[in-house]
Amino acid sequence: EPEVTQTPSHQVTQMGQEVILRCVPISNHLYFYWYRQILGQKVEFLVSFYNNEISEKSEIFDDQFSVERPDGSNFTLKIRSTKLEDSAMYFCARRTLGTDTQYFGPGTRLTVL
Amino acid sequence: KQEVTQIPAALSVPEGENLVLNCSFTDSAIYNLQWFRQDPGKGLTSLLLIQSSQREQTSGRLNASLDKSSGRSTLYIAASQPGDSATYLCAAAAGGGSNYKLTFGKGTLLTVNP
Repeated sequence: EPEVTQTPSHQVTQMGQEVILRCVPISNHLYFYWYRQILGQKVEFLVSFYNNEISEKSEIFDDQFSVERPDGSNFTLKIRSTKLEDSAMYFCARRTLGTDTQYFGPGTRLTVL
Repeated sequence: KQEVTQIPAALSVPEGENLVLNCSFTDSAIYNLQWFRQDPGKGLTSLLLIQSSQREQTSGRLNASLDKSSGRSTLYIAASQPGDSATYLCAAAAGGGSNYKLTFGKGTLLTVNP
């Protein structure tokens, strides 16, 4: 299975700023997911995305968050007006139609100062 | 709401020992159960996936079992090696198709000493 890549590997931002995390490259006919892991905590589901639509989102995924595929390949997670508690590892994952295994990217470490 | 718990939180064993990691989940209506490995600062690597209709899966020195009725899964690692040192995560999948998502446990940090 092709690897999932994410950029940047580490993002440092000031509180209140907007950040965009990217998952690249992307093939068609896939489900995409964003998860986050606050340091020392569990990996938590944020949102799933298929066919250019959100399939499901958790209670964490509020109006501060959005996802899209702006150019048909990259899959992005946008966090508006970042807060200190948004500091975490953010993982993108993919799943092929007809299979159940999720393949995770290496993650983006977001640090909000 | 699904809750996944893993015990022990940490485990240290000498090389060559066989070991068992435990995972429990509160909602038995799972779609499948996956075991992942996470190395420090890295992403998650899928190790084994057990469908809800299956009892166990094996891959090399790894064997995972599933008992849906009791809400338990175990990961058995035979003849452990220092390279097995990592955090092992258990995740229960809910739903299929577009509703598929994983609920993770906090993990077991395994250290295999040479």
